[in-house]
Amino acid sequence: EVQLVESGGGLVQPGGSLRLSCADSGFTFSNYWMHWVRQAPGKGLVWVSRIHKNGDRTNYADSVKGRFTISRDNAKNTLYLQMNSLSAEDTAVYYCARGNYDSSGTYGNLDFWGQGTLVTVSS
Amino acid sequence: DIQMTQSPPSLSASVGDRVTITCRASQSISSFLNWYQQKPGRAPNLLIYAASSLQSGVPSRFSGSASGADFTLTISSLQPEDFATYYCQQSYSIPWTFGQGTKVEIK
Repeated sequence: EVQLVESGGGLVQPGGSLRLSCADSGFTFSNYWMHWVRQAPGKGLVWVSRIHKNGDRTNYADSVKGRFTISRDNAKNTLYLQMNSLSAEDTAVYYCARGNYDSSGTYGNLDFWGQGTLVTVSS
Repeated sequence: DIQMTQSPPSLSASVGDRVTITCRASQSISSFLNWYQQKPGRAPNLLIYAASSLQSGVPSRFSGSASGADFTLTISSLQPEDFATYYCQQSYSIPWTFGQGTKVEIK
């Protein structure tokens, strides 16, 4: 059974830092792109970042570029999100999600998601 | 960035109703379109990928279709467990973007 379990959320002051983790099991972690998606309270889903299966390629939303760093440890089956210079606008539930493709290998999707971890930025 | 516009933002329907939700992309995205269902306090769940392919384990009452830049999610006969918020999402280009969501409520 595929499982993604996020941790590391909590209350942080503006300007502070936090590192999220996503421990994965039930699949060959090193075969998949991995993503972070966030959802502010009462709002919609926003894609944040993704990382290639071997960790050598990353992409970010403009809103987090230069402040957030996505990484992975394939030996530990764990995905990370280092978040620096946090502001109130970063308050959200952060989900990790597995990136997958259709059978042709063309069309990407997010086929498994963790339960999310809440990050609250407030003084 | 590609903008995804869903309509309607919300709808009220009864059990057994046929429900249609539409998503329009701001530019052509071929079939790079996915649909997710999210229930309160829960993570999203993939329903449809590549515009019209049903994700494994998802009931066949859910279907997706495409016509140009317009995409449709149809629930053929609404069930009590289908009351939720539905999101479209494009995977054509980075950043991946989601629609604003459609909340399906009980009439």
